[in-house]
Formats: sequence, C-alpha cells, structure tokens
Amino acid sequence: QKEVEQDPGPLSVPEGAIVSLNCTYSNSAFQYFMWYRQYSRKGPELLMYTYSSGNKEDGRFTAQVDKSSKYISLFIRDSQPSDSATYLCALNTGTASKLTFGTGTRLQVTL
Amino acid sequence: EPEVTQTPSHQVTQMGQEVILRCVPISNHLYFYWYRQILGQKVEFLVSFYNNEISEKSEIFDDQFSVERPDGSNFTLKIRSTKLEDSAMYFCASSEGAFGGNTIYFGEGSWLTVV
Repeated sequence: QKEVEQDPGPLSVPEGAIVSLNCTYSNSAFQYFMWYRQYSRKGPELLMYTYSSGNKEDGRFTAQVDKSSKYISLFIRDSQPSDSATYLCALNTGTASKLTFGTGTRLQVTL
Repeated sequence: EPEVTQTPSHQVTQMGQEVILRCVPISNHLYFYWYRQILGQKVEFLVSFYNNEISEKSEIFDDQFSVERPDGSNFTLKIRSTKLEDSAMYFCASSEGAFGGNTIYFGEGSWLTVV
C-alpha cells in the first residue's frame, strides 16, 4: 500500500463549481496535513495547512482532515479558471523534517 | 514577499558530468531542503539541512549527492557522475523552524536534463 494516495485526475469542472480533492494515507503517524498548488513547471505553493483532525477555512478553500479514516480533503468553492493547476497533498509526522507528497490531482476549470 | 530563488532554471548536462544547483533560501530561515520531481511523478524528498549539517536524508540521497552552505546565504546541491535517470526538476525549499508547525516554502525549481 502506498504511503499517500491521490487520484491523478484530470478533473474537469465548469467555472463556479465546487471542487473536491482527496488523499488517503496509511501511516497513522502523520500529524500535519498540507495542500500545495503547482502550476506547470513551477514550484509548489502552499495553500492550506492543518494540524490533526478537523476543518480549516481560508477564503474559497476548506481543508478537512479525518484521521480516523486517514482521509484528507480540499474543497474549492466558486472555482475559477485560474484555479487550473495540479493540487498536491503533503503530509508530515511532526517528528521528522520531510514532507511526503501525493502524486497530485490535475484540475481544469473551464469557462 | 520573500522567496526562495534557484539557479539555473534549466541545465542540460552530459551523462557522467557533475552538476551544481544553487539556491538562496529565505533570509531568516534556518532549515533547508532539496526535493526532486521526475516528469509526471510525485515530488520526492531528498535531504534536509540545519546548522551546517544534514538532519535527514532519503534513500535517494546516496553518495552521488552532496549539499553545502558555502557562504551563509547560498545552499547548493551537487550531483556527481550524472545519470539519465537524474533528469528531473529539483526544488529547493526552506523553513523558519523544524517542521511541525512551520511552513516550507519552495523555489521555482531547476530543471535538469541529462543527455
């Protein structure tokens, strides 16, 4: 079983739609959960960061963590064409410095 | 907004040659990292560096690789005897503190092509 699994997509949605992006993981030691956005051939840019279980909202973005199910989600409301990118989940145990990334989900928001 | 800068943005090198990728982390950050992303694959951790020594490394980071902070502002990744499979985007990153609550900021990447 892979440490972090993420559907690679592509996911195509119309402008204004609500987008749901998800990752599952196998290592219960993960405590910190991040979502990064990556445009083509660019560096990952942090969108959301959550510690342990629960929800966190920032503008159009909501991150959700369910540690009991080992499942994390990112919701994007009122999606825009500029949201078209690859979304990466990244996890950290808090006791080691490395981030463990998912493969990323490619999102396309169409007009 | 402060950012991590990387040079070169793209380098083409012959197989067997040595390559040095350079990074300027955010100025007040103390922890530095290298990650790589092979085309179409996930971002993978290579190494973390703190207080002038490696704090953690992955199994990818073998004797072919080395890191250095030569002058207090730059952070470099050296790849010796490059192989075709070293072709990837290499990302430098930095954070203010040890992760566990500190944001890791990534640079735009250095695309390495080994021919």
